[in-house]
Amino acid sequence: AQKVTQAQTEISVVEKEDVTLDCVYETRDTTYYLFWYKQPPSGELVFLIRRNSFDEQNEISGRYSWNFQKSTSSFNFTITASQVVDSAVYFCALLILTGGGNKLTFGTGTQLKVEL
Amino acid sequence: SQTIHQWPATLVQPVGSPLSLECTVEGTSNPNLYWYRQAAGRGLQLLFYSVGIGQISSEVPQNLSASRPQDRQFILSSKKLLLSDSGFYLCAWNRDSEETQYFGPGTRLLVL
Repeated sequence: AQKVTQAQTEISVVEKEDVTLDCVYETRDTTYYLFWYKQPPSGELVFLIRRNSFDEQNEISGRYSWNFQKSTSSFNFTITASQVVDSAVYFCALLILTGGGNKLTFGTGTQLKVEL
Repeated sequence: SQTIHQWPATLVQPVGSPLSLECTVEGTSNPNLYWYRQAAGRGLQLLFYSVGIGQISSEVPQNLSASRPQDRQFILSSKKLLLSDSGFYLCAWNRDSEETQYFGPGTRLLVL
């Protein structure tokens, strides 16, 4: 069975601080995909990034960066110089391809609050 | 480009009443479609998914059902709502050749 753990329920930072959101996953499959989604107060889940299990290269997109480490089964997300607009719930998710629909397993999310 | 719509955006229903939530995807054909529920604890639970017209797979046995009458339309229904059906319902889609799921704006359901 697959599992995603986001141990940080809520994080509060002051604007311009860097913040890292942790994600640890469990799976016995060797081929899988990892995702991060952002859920602002409006509710819609916004796709941020996808990583497959064979690509451990870290990625940077503007103020966002992701650190994928298979050795520790982690896929952490760092926001540099946080802004108030970053306030949202962030979800990490794991996908195992089953041949009939793609079933995402989500973590319980981390609420990020960025204050002035 | 592709867009996904859900309606209604918000719904307040009495216990025992029927339910019909609609999800429509534009700009693509033969998408995989999904219904998720997000309860107060924020976790997302997959309820149903569909890989084609009339093809529905249920992940969690419950008071709800799903149907796919058209290629890009996915319906979530109930004959009699329970208090525990309250939550935020999200529809998602992906191309069969891609892994990333894209989500709709969601429907907030409150059962009283």
